[in-house]
Amino acid sequence: AQSVTQLDSHVSVSEGTPVLLRCNYSSSYSPSLFWYVQHPNKGLQLLLKYTSAATLVKGINGFEAEFKKSETSFHLTKPSAHMSDAAEYFCVVSDTGGYQKVTFGIGTKLQVIP
Amino acid sequence: DAGVTQSPTHLIKTRGQHVTLRCSPISGHKSVSWYQQVLGQGPQFIFQYYEKEERGRGNFPDRFSARQFPNYSSELNVNALLLGDSALYLCASSTGTGHEKLFFGSGTQLSVL
Repeated sequence: AQSVTQLDSHVSVSEGTPVLLRCNYSSSYSPSLFWYVQHPNKGLQLLLKYTSAATLVKGINGFEAEFKKSETSFHLTKPSAHMSDAAEYFCVVSDTGGYQKVTFGIGTKLQVIP
Repeated sequence: DAGVTQSPTHLIKTRGQHVTLRCSPISGHKSVSWYQQVLGQGPQFIFQYYEKEERGRGNFPDRFSARQFPNYSSELNVNALLLGDSALYLCASSTGTGHEKLFFGSGTQLSVL
């Protein structure tokens, strides 16, 4: 079984300050982990993906995430928030034990204050 | 190249009716998966199809069914609609069945009255 817990439903940061969106996962197998972003009235877009290579993963738009097996975490960070980062972010786990079943977290809504 | 296209964009049905949602994947993609996103929640996996065969199924009742056609487009069918089926239905395509990047369409917003 696999699951994802996004620890914050809403995060508010000021423009230019760091962003931290937290995600913990549970998986019976070696998981692949993803972060997707959903802007209002737009489709989901992949930010970054971890598949057992380097534990620090760099994504688009300056985002990165670090896979920590001991903490079962995959937190998303960005050094400096931009107004265009305001969106909903989903942490996703996909186990490698079988078919491509993916499990989404409930999402974290990021607000960026000017 | 066109992205993943879904039709219709919005749909209103009444309880007990049947609905068919359609999805065209990105050219060259052979895998299509379907998700239900209820307001305020993350998308939930419904089905994955690859090369016209079902490769994965989430925890949804038998009222939900899907198929994939030879051109890799897909339909999601829902019978005996319930109020709780009201949601955004998302389709995603990818090249295979592994952990490739998923490309999502903009979804079909289904309202059941």
